[in-house]
Amino acid sequence: QQPVQSPQAVILREGEDAVINCSSSKALYSVHWYRQKHGEAPVFLMILLKGGEQKGHEKISASFNEKKQQSSLYLTASQLSYSGTYFCGTEDQGGSEKLVFGKGTKLTVNP
Amino acid sequence: GAVVSQHPSRVICKSGTSVKIECRSLDFQATTMFWYRQFPKKSLMLMATSNEGSKATYEQGVEKDKFLINHASLTLSTLTVTSAHPEDSSFYICSSSVLRNEQYFGPGTRLTVT
Repeated sequence: QQPVQSPQAVILREGEDAVINCSSSKALYSVHWYRQKHGEAPVFLMILLKGGEQKGHEKISASFNEKKQQSSLYLTASQLSYSGTYFCGTEDQGGSEKLVFGKGTKLTVNP
Repeated sequence: GAVVSQHPSRVICKSGTSVKIECRSLDFQATTMFWYRQFPKKSLMLMATSNEGSKATYEQGVEKDKFLINHASLTLSTLTVTSAHPEDSSFYICSSSVLRNEQYFGPGTRLTVT
């Protein structure tokens, strides 16, 4: 089942923060986050494997609440380069390695 | 991150012809390769999962006789769209992964069937 992402779209000014949420109805093994710019392939941001684990990559971090089957991506002090569509991909605990992607969140960062 | 290449990046073909798309992991040996399809402004839809030396596992609703997948080696997988029709026009993306870790995507192939 496809995870639900929210919000669908967000517009920021450079330097502002944003949170993107990803929620699944299934028990998850992992959550993957990707960013895709128009006409390009998705680019890997991070993977979260354990309940409550938080990872960070410069000003982009994420958390994974295994019990709630939810993950959040945190973008702080946004830069123009952060613009794009963010997808979460979820892998269930069945061990299939398959990712099911949400519908995406379109982030626009304006000067 | 790991590098995955795809060829061709764009292809235009006539209805009824077949098109082959190659996906290569350039700097690592992928245990699993995935093929996705993406319509404009839509999410990635998994078509099939392939492992080297074994038959691909297709998702429900994906015709295996129409979308032929061959995973010849740990670094190469091919997708052949047979008897292509205009409704097959789409952005096809492959990805590679190692042992349930992150997936690295190729740059994608834009297929247009006229």
